[in-house]
Amino acid sequence: EVQLVESGGGLVQPGRSLRLSCAASGFTFDDYAMHWVRQAPGKGLEWVSGSSWNGGSTGYADSVKGRFTISRDNAKNSLYLQMNSLRPEDTAFYYCAKDPRAHLGIGALDYWGQGSLVTVSS
Amino acid sequence: QSALTQPASVSGSPGQSITISCTGTSSDVGSYNLVSWYQQHPGKAPKLLIYEGSKRPSGLSNRFSGSKSGNTASLTISGLQAEDEADYYCCSYAGYITYVFGTGTKVTVL
Repeated sequence: EVQLVESGGGLVQPGRSLRLSCAASGFTFDDYAMHWVRQAPGKGLEWVSGSSWNGGSTGYADSVKGRFTISRDNAKNSLYLQMNSLRPEDTAFYYCAKDPRAHLGIGALDYWGQGSLVTVSS
Repeated sequence: QSALTQPASVSGSPGQSITISCTGTSSDVGSYNLVSWYQQHPGKAPKLLIYEGSKRPSGLSNRFSGSKSGNTASLTISGLQAEDEADYYCCSYAGYITYVFGTGTKVTVL
């Protein structure tokens, strides 16, 4: 059974940093691309970032480019999102999602975690 | 990276069919056959319904179907059931290793 478990969320002040983690199990992690998607409370979904199977290809939404960095450790079956210079508008549930393909730009998001809440407030 | 446009709400009676539209541009929906659709119940993670425009994941009900014409993709739910009441989102590859979601549609079963 595919399982994706996010961790690392919490309350952080504007301008500070936070690192989210996603622990994957139930599938061969290094065979698939992975994504981060966020959802502000009561709002819609927003794609944040994606990584190909080996991290060699990554993409970012304009809203986070230059502030967020996606990475993965295939030996640990883990995906990460380093979030710097956080802003109040980054407040959201952050979901980790699996792609059915190894490379970005050809798949979808076929399994999702339950999300981790990040609150950016002073 | 502007969000794809979906109607805010769509409703139907049990057994009826409804269609949700998803309008993008020639840079996203119109350029790629890579539209996916997701169902999200309150407090739950999204669930994949359709990928690559019209393909269903294994085991998913054939009541859900997808199509595309030009810059607009559509999700049709046939034989509407009470458990279909949820939020629905489209998503398209938008080039340069980016994706864009739709604004979301709340489906109400009357």
